[in-house]
Amino acid sequence: ETGVTQTPRHLVMGMTNKKSLKCEQHLGHNAMYWYKQSAKKPLELMFVYNFKEQTENNSVPSRFSPECPNSSHLFLHLHTLQPEDSALYLCASSQDGLAGGNEQFFGPGTRLTVL
Amino acid sequence: RKEVEQDPGPFNVPEGATVAFNCTYSNSASQSFFWYRQDCRKEPKLLMSVYSSGNEDGRFTAQLNRASQYISLLIRDSKLSDSATYLCVVPNSGYSTLTFGKGTMLLVSP
Repeated sequence: ETGVTQTPRHLVMGMTNKKSLKCEQHLGHNAMYWYKQSAKKPLELMFVYNFKEQTENNSVPSRFSPECPNSSHLFLHLHTLQPEDSALYLCASSQDGLAGGNEQFFGPGTRLTVL
Repeated sequence: RKEVEQDPGPFNVPEGATVAFNCTYSNSASQSFFWYRQDCRKEPKLLMSVYSSGNEDGRFTAQLNRASQYISLLIRDSKLSDSATYLCVVPNSGYSTLTFGKGTMLLVSP
């Protein structure tokens, strides 16, 4: 596979469930990102990992828990979510954490619905 | 001024038309900028990078006015396949993250 892949593509979960989103990049990049995209809102950066270290946490509630075991994989663990957390969750990667000079490549996203 | 502000759209244009989108940004220290394109229910993809006063790629021209903190994207001879949302993207002052605008939707009709 090439590029950035995300699984699952669609997820419906109850507020008491625990689930995880997975992202994998096959580009040899060193930085990975989680974004949230809600209707009529700009992309919101959630977390940044650069060389497996978390470098940004954009005031994200603790019910979202990221994990980056290596430079190619990124997880977003979800628990006790709220209906307003329903959104498209996009993973991206770039060559390194200097996003100003590097294109970010996005995965297809996971469309999450919280009931 | 909001960090990144774009024309609200949607822009409805016929095939062959020329259309321009505007974007203003608040971070005067930003040196590079991006336009991304996002098709309906798809992920954003890089369309153009803008590092100096502007950039041209075929039918697409991006222009930068640093004094006014303003970026534009011009699309000439619009195609049906140009229908998408166009996102203006600006790095933060530390160049560690990107700030995305809400996007401007373009609908090109036959």
